[in-house]
Amino acid sequence: QKEVEQDPGPLSVPEGAIVSLNCTYSNSAFQYFMWYRQYSRKGPELLMYTYSSGNKEDGRFTAQVDKSSKYISLFIRDSQPSDSATYLCAMRSTGTSYGKLTFGQGTILTVHP
Amino acid sequence: DAGITQSPRHKVTETGTPVTLRCHQTENHRYMYWYRQDPGHGLRLIHYSYGVKDTDKGEVSDGYSVSRSKTEDFLLTLESATSSQTSVYFCAISPSGGAGETQYFGPGTRLLVL
Repeated sequence: QKEVEQDPGPLSVPEGAIVSLNCTYSNSAFQYFMWYRQYSRKGPELLMYTYSSGNKEDGRFTAQVDKSSKYISLFIRDSQPSDSATYLCAMRSTGTSYGKLTFGQGTILTVHP
Repeated sequence: DAGITQSPRHKVTETGTPVTLRCHQTENHRYMYWYRQDPGHGLRLIHYSYGVKDTDKGEVSDGYSVSRSKTEDFLLTLESATSSQTSVYFCAISPSGGAGETQYFGPGTRLLVL
C-alpha cells in the first residue's frame, strides 16, 4: 500500500465548475502538505502549502487538511481552461533530515470551455 | 522553472550505454534532488545532495549514480541504461532541506532507452 493515495482521474469538468481533488495518506507523522500543479511537458510548480490541519485560501484555490481522517483536499472555484493540468499532492514529516517529499500519483484535470 | 535548467531536454539512447543528465541552478540552494516521474507512480526520489560532494540515495537509486562538484551543478548518470529507465527526469532544489521548505522543480528531461 502506498503512503499517499491520489485518484489519477482523469477528471473532466465544464468551465466554471467547482473542482475537488483529494489525497489520503497513512503516515500520521506527515505535518506539511503541498499541492503542485504540472502543465503538460513542464515541471511541477508549487500551488498551495499548508502546515498541520486547517484551511488555506489563495484566490480561487482552497487547500484543506484533516489530519484526523488523514485526508487532504484542493478545491478550485470557478474553474478555467487554464486550470487544465495534473495536480500532485505532496507531504512531509517533521522528522526528515533532507526534506523528503512523498508524492501522490497525480490527478489529470481538464476544464473544457 | 526559474533558476533551474536541465540538459538535455530530450534524449534517445540505446540499452547498455551510459547517459548523463545535468541540472544547473542559479539560486545557490544547498539541496538538490533528482526524481523520476512515471505513470501510476508520481514522482520518486532517485538521489539527493546536501552540499558539494555530499550525496545520498533515495528510494529508487539502483542503476543510478550522482555527482556534485560545484554548488550549482548536480549530475545524474545512468551507468548502463535499461528500458526500465525510460522516464521523465526532474531536478529540484531547496534552500536548506528543512521540513518547512518547499522544493522547486526544473523543466525535466525526457529519456527514451531503446
